Amino acid sequence: QVQLVQSGAEVKKPGASVKVSCKASGYTFTGYYMHWVRQAPGQGLEWMGWINPNSGGTNYAQKFQGRVTMTKDTSITTAYMELSRLRSDDTAVYYCARDIGLSYSYYYMDVWGKGTTVTVSS
Amino acid sequence: EIVLTQSPATLSLSPGERATLSCRASQSVSSYLAWYQQKPGQAPRLLIHDASNRATGIPARFSGSGSGTDFTLTISSLEPEDFAVYYCQQRSNSGAFGGGTKVEIK
Repeated sequence: QVQLVQSGAEVKKPGASVKVSCKASGYTFTGYYMHWVRQAPGQGLEWMGWINPNSGGTNYAQKFQGRVTMTKDTSITTAYMELSRLRSDDTAVYYCARDIGLSYSYYYMDVWGKGTTVTVSS
Repeated sequence: EIVLTQSPATLSLSPGERATLSCRASQSVSSYLAWYQQKPGQAPRLLIHDASNRATGIPARFSGSGSGTDFTLTISSLEPEDFAVYYCQQRSNSGAFGGGTKVEIK
């Protein structure tokens, strides 16, 4: 079945970086854009950006430009999201989510990982 | 940047009642709007895309309508498993979400 399996929880200090992985299975990895969405404790959803696993092209939300890097390793069908210069308000659950469109980004997400909790604390 | 405003923040209803949730965009997003459901401790689930198209496997009691700046998600008769938080999302300009509406048991 189609699934996205994310890496485990992380605890980081302010100023550090975190890299979260998302392993896809059950479908053609290169055929669907991958999004990253985060959710701070008790808050709503925040779209961070997407990566095209075929070309490696990316589109980041303006808020995260300069701090986020999305990459992929096609050989192991895994997408990555790295966030640098972490602050306490980056504490959140980070989700990867597959776009519904084949070879096109519709920005709608039909398959989600279970989320990775990132805690930023000194 | 397009801002999505959802109302009400909380909706208190009983099972079997009809739920009507609103999402208003700060500028037109055409029909490029989706609805998601999220339960505590779970990832969101896509319910509706392009304003009125139900995603695969979504029950018919969920329906979406609207275009331009005003959108509605209707749950015709609430089932116990429908009590959750609902988010709208636009794709007209990036993938921003609204702030959410919590549907709670009255």
